[in-house]
Amino acid sequence: DAGITQSPRHKVTETGTPVTLRCHQTENHRYMYWYRQDPGHGLRLIHYSYGVKDTDKGEVSDGYSVSRSKTEDFLLTLESATSSQTSVYFCAISERTVDGYTFGSGTRLTVV
Amino acid sequence: AQSVSQHNHHVILSEAASLELGCNYSYGGTVNLFWYVQYPGQHLQLLLKYFSGDPLVKGIKGFEAEFIKSKFSFNLRKPSVQWSDTAEYFCAIYGNNRLAFGKGNQVVVIP
Repeated sequence: DAGITQSPRHKVTETGTPVTLRCHQTENHRYMYWYRQDPGHGLRLIHYSYGVKDTDKGEVSDGYSVSRSKTEDFLLTLESATSSQTSVYFCAISERTVDGYTFGSGTRLTVV
Repeated sequence: AQSVSQHNHHVILSEAASLELGCNYSYGGTVNLFWYVQYPGQHLQLLLKYFSGDPLVKGIKGFEAEFIKSKFSFNLRKPSVQWSDTAEYFCAIYGNNRLAFGKGNQVVVIP
């Protein structure tokens, strides 16, 4: 959707290397989320943010960290990538959480 | 914590057939429920949502869902599917500052 951009769209990286994924929004929405999507698991929340410098863990946060220094950017870092982190990562934004989310186009990450 | 469960993860049906996907939720707070659709190779898009009022909710592309509190359910329906409805469908519930998603229903519509 217009207003939310994820980069890169695809990435292949080696085990043990750090990786940062970026989510950029132009909607000035307060809430931002990182999910991973895996077959048979649906979408699982990694981390989320409810404002600049305000973040919290989701259900699968181990091995991931996030930062939000500006309203428009939410970064997801895999500190030392493992093969189990091969997945499709989606960013989502929301101003009022009860309205649901707008999702980005996703980043397909492969860890070899 | 809130959760939703979806059954019949893989559904195959012919065009013009009716579709119903089940979603059961668990949550002790105010219930806000959603259905999202993900077409092949694309991101999730909102189909419809319920947070109060009429329990029968109309969404885009001819979809509807009914909230039945006594059954803890929010089932998605479409009377007559098209090949373009081939997609994965996710039920989700809002609570504790986030959406929790079900594991999804992969729906394949055969022309």
